[in-house]
Amino acid sequence: SQKIEQNSEALNIQEGKTATLTCNYTNYSPAYLQWYRQDPGRGPVFLLLIRENEKEKRKERLKVTFDTTLKQSLFHITASQPADSATYLCAHGGRDDKIIFGKGTRLHILP
Amino acid sequence: NAGVTQTPKFRILKIGQSMTLQCAQDMNHNYMYWYRQDPGMGLKLIYYSVGAGITDKGEVPNGYNVSRSTTEDFPLRLELAAPSQTSVYFCASSYGRPDWDGYTFGSGTRLTVV
Repeated sequence: SQKIEQNSEALNIQEGKTATLTCNYTNYSPAYLQWYRQDPGRGPVFLLLIRENEKEKRKERLKVTFDTTLKQSLFHITASQPADSATYLCAHGGRDDKIIFGKGTRLHILP
Repeated sequence: NAGVTQTPKFRILKIGQSMTLQCAQDMNHNYMYWYRQDPGMGLKLIYYSVGAGITDKGEVPNGYNVSRSTTEDFPLRLELAAPSQTSVYFCASSYGRPDWDGYTFGSGTRLTVV
């Protein structure tokens, strides 16, 4: 069955450094990946979408890569700030109308 | 724009009771989705709709029903509440297929079944 995994339950990064989150998928070749941010008690907020024919996408301090050989997407936050602390969700989808979410990685940016 | 509005925000149900979780969007989005989120388990798709009058099952549809009579509204019905349905429920919408753009989520309904 399609499986999507996100690295570790929590990640602690020093303020100002680059935070890198990993999303791996197995038994499947998604057509695209999406990344969301979720704060406690709130709904997820869409950040970036990357398609299978795109190697990299950027938005301000955010960068997403998509490696179809490694079956992996990396999500980077450069010059991280305490306000970036949240849970980040990876989601993948195919040729149909729905996506499957990973469990998320909690990111803590330490001042 | 209000975006995606979910009501109620919190609800406690007794086992066997029924209720409807409301979801409305004012963005003229065609696609709407219902997810549940359990601690440490990620978001699981319950039902989705690609337009008015069209609904389809997701990963965990048992115990739930939906209808989509208008573009704006996508209510989720729980007929006989069970403790296993204790969860946070999120409604989401998008204009088109998810390979075009991301979802807009509501703020969620926290449901406890006792």
